[in-house]
Amino acid sequence: NAGVTQTPKFQVLKTGQSMTLQCAQDMNHNSMYWYRQDPGMGLRLIYYSASEGTTDKGEVPNGYNVSRLNKREFSLRLESAAPSQTSVYFCASRNSNYGYTFGSGTRLTVV
Amino acid sequence: DQQVKQNSPSLSVQEGRISILNCDYTNSMFDYFLWYKKYPAEGPTFLISISSIKDKNEDGRFTVFLNKSAKHLSLHIVPSQPGDSAVYFCAASFTGTASKLTFGTGTRLQVTL
Repeated sequence: NAGVTQTPKFQVLKTGQSMTLQCAQDMNHNSMYWYRQDPGMGLRLIYYSASEGTTDKGEVPNGYNVSRLNKREFSLRLESAAPSQTSVYFCASRNSNYGYTFGSGTRLTVV
Repeated sequence: DQQVKQNSPSLSVQEGRISILNCDYTNSMFDYFLWYKKYPAEGPTFLISISSIKDKNEDGRFTVFLNKSAKHLSLHIVPSQPGDSAVYFCAASFTGTASKLTFGTGTRLQVTL
């Protein structure tokens, strides 16, 4: 039982490049989330998907897009990366009692 | 506007002693609170939670206390162990909002021998 799997684990981008962060869960959870973690800022919600076919903005959505491809997969896309998007990105899915299960993160550096 | 605040960035405690991590929130509509633990290079893992209808929840060495009038919650770890050394995040949620969690900034706990 893998839980939540994120790929890649590390990535370096040049300013203006695009990339997609992948996330998949095998727990049959309905809700999925993308957070970013920055020093002194905690985890901030970028986008979430309450159920398959729906997506909504979180606290810091600018510069990102998401796709809920199916119940298992929720991807995060950076169309034109900026240095301010250097961060650690976490995907999570939720079970019925509010507990999130997080992936191990993607460390992204934009130079 | 930081709705969930952890004012102590770090805490050092001796093994066997009590660790107390604090968290304050500003939005009185939050009705569910959680603590997560995070080791380096790993995702956060769920530790313990409490509903706003309770003032205490206990799970082994971990106890969470909620003071709604003060908008304050705390996590007590007794006794502290070296393996407890990690970053601890508190988080809060409203009912009916797809359970979006609002996280605090985290407190790094170091348990020394």
